[in-house]
Amino acid sequence: DIQMTQSPSSLSASVGDTVTITCQASQDISTYLNWYQQKPGKAPKLLIYDASSVKAGGPSRFSGSGSGTDFTFTIRRLQAEDIATYYCQQYDTLPWTFGHGTKVEIK
Amino acid sequence: QVLLQESGPGVVKPSQTLSLTCTVSGGSISSGNYFWSWIRQHPGKGLEWIGYIYYSGRTSYNPSLKGRATISVDTSENQFSLKVTSMTTADTAVYYCARGSEPFDYWGQGILVTVSS
Repeated sequence: DIQMTQSPSSLSASVGDTVTITCQASQDISTYLNWYQQKPGKAPKLLIYDASSVKAGGPSRFSGSGSGTDFTFTIRRLQAEDIATYYCQQYDTLPWTFGHGTKVEIK
Repeated sequence: QVLLQESGPGVVKPSQTLSLTCTVSGGSISSGNYFWSWIRQHPGKGLEWIGYIYYSGRTSYNPSLKGRATISVDTSENQFSLKVTSMTTADTAVYYCARGSEPFDYWGQGILVTVSS
């Protein structure tokens, strides 16, 4: 299976900050990577697909980049409503696998 | 707007078979080039893809379940289902159904399944 390593596992930032999460794949996955946001007690929600495409209707402050094995997810101008756990997910090779998540909190 | 809703028992006894159904509304399971997946999340943990089915019946499963999972589709009812045999406490999790070819773009709200005698 392709292992997805996210870092950090948690972070604390202030409203208005820029937050960056990284995801590293154990092998080349091209740009076959998605990012999800999960709020407590809720289902995950797709934010970014194909590594850098923002889902229609999604906030423009969310962005993604990367290819191959190294990927980055960025939240610009962090807002209180962004408190959640964020997951990366690869779909290059079955079984599709997720990172372990990054919990974002407000300082 | 596509909506997915899981249904099934909240508690299953060890060694029993779990049966869950996902009802899709706002779109036909048979239309579009989508896979229909089951994903689970152990308490306080990350996400694990269980498997998918295409409307034609083609399936793929995560080997981590060691052949215990079966996904089926009922296009007439616009539903797809999951069965997991030989349930143990390690299968206690929130089970989600989701639509996706590669990104999972629509999810059900999830159903907590607890394995307990």
